Amino acid sequence: DAGITQSPRHKVTETGTPVTLRCHQTENHRYMYWYRQDPGHGLRLIHYSYGVKDTDKGEVSDGYSVSRSKTEDFLLTLESATSSQTSVYFCAISPGTMTTNEKLFFGSGTQLSVL
Amino acid sequence: EDQVTQSPEALRLQEGESSSLNCSYTVSGLRGLFWYRQDPGKGPEFLFTLYSAGEEKEKERLKATLTKKESFLHITAPKPEDSATYLCAVQARGATNKLIFGTGTLLAVQP
Repeated sequence: DAGITQSPRHKVTETGTPVTLRCHQTENHRYMYWYRQDPGHGLRLIHYSYGVKDTDKGEVSDGYSVSRSKTEDFLLTLESATSSQTSVYFCAISPGTMTTNEKLFFGSGTQLSVL
Repeated sequence: EDQVTQSPEALRLQEGESSSLNCSYTVSGLRGLFWYRQDPGKGPEFLFTLYSAGEEKEKERLKATLTKKESFLHITAPKPEDSATYLCAVQARGATNKLIFGTGTLLAVQP
């Protein structure tokens, strides 16, 4: 998976608890993304980063925050998890910008269940 | 509103039986259309990018084509290892770093 590690791979948590998902890359790519994948919705962008400490919102960012303190790590935090955040979360990276039509490389995903 | 619709939702083929998957899109100016393959329990894997109507890309048994309203992924003489979900995504002009994904077509190729 192009040097992308997501952790944990699976997590079960309770409503109202904070959850942090980690994405680690060894490719030194500038851009990192968090997507969620749900049946009937396809992949939807949550947040993305275009450099250390530089992040921006995607189409479904409510209830999520991100941080990027190092080039290789991009963290996704659910401040207070809700059942609607049960999903498969994918991290993706790209070396350039999407304006240059760079393809995305995806991690293997994190299955999150909020009970 | 930018939108991507893929059809059919699922397709079952016999080995060697060629077919096509469809991706219809509505976007305010297309910058690029992307095809990905996704195996169960894994992340999507990039296949092709198409930029303008009339463009075609090929890779082994797969060929992607693009018109002003839709893209087709043609699968010629498929093998069981081609079984996967195929995802289509579009990027609109000005929508930096944002792709709109379809819900995919689940392809099953039986030996």
